[in-house]
Amino acid sequence: GAGVSQTPSNKVTEKGKYVELRCDPISGHTALYWYRQSLGQGPEFLIYFQGTGAADDSGLPNDRFFAVRPEGSVSTLKIQRTERGDSAVYLCASSLTGTGLAGANVLTFGAGSRLTVL
Amino acid sequence: DAKTTQPPSMDCAEGRAANLPCNHSTISGNEYVYWYRQIHSQGPQYIIHGLKNNETNEMASLIITEDRKSSTLILPHATLRDTAVYYCIVGANNLFFGTGTRLTVIP
Repeated sequence: GAGVSQTPSNKVTEKGKYVELRCDPISGHTALYWYRQSLGQGPEFLIYFQGTGAADDSGLPNDRFFAVRPEGSVSTLKIQRTERGDSAVYLCASSLTGTGLAGANVLTFGAGSRLTVL
Repeated sequence: DAKTTQPPSMDCAEGRAANLPCNHSTISGNEYVYWYRQIHSQGPQYIIHGLKNNETNEMASLIITEDRKSSTLILPHATLRDTAVYYCIVGANNLFFGTGTRLTVIP
């Protein structure tokens, strides 16, 4: 598609429930990133994929968070046993190569998925 | 972790140049300097990037010091629509955001 698409745009859930957030990157972009942004803060890195594999998942806060990208395009961020502290905007971005070694790594962001855990 | 330092907020009069500073004293040789901005309730928007040389595009200019330890983003004629949080980021494969500078353009 023309841009990075994220669904749902808004999700309200109850504490303890399971949530999936979807990201559809720009066609042909090999790298895909997930960030989380709380009110008044900058985006916080969670994980990034090169193709199907997670190249860096050091930002995932705990084992309730998991992300997949099985075919190297669409990615799903999965949150188990949600807590109120998980409430945030979850941002997805994609880039052509994901590496700055052969040139700049310019990320294009989606509009985000706002998660509210009651 | 973010490797940049930016002032938390700045004001600029409409029509004037906005000069947003950024310190990145620990930048590595292969790391680029990127600038993004975020308007309320939207995802971050790419503005410009550079490695060593100064850069200009239709949105802004980027001035990088010779030692690459700091840079300045210049919006030549700020408009009200430029009110946003501006993030300066250095990185290669992975980009870590700090808290940015909240620029307010005043009529």
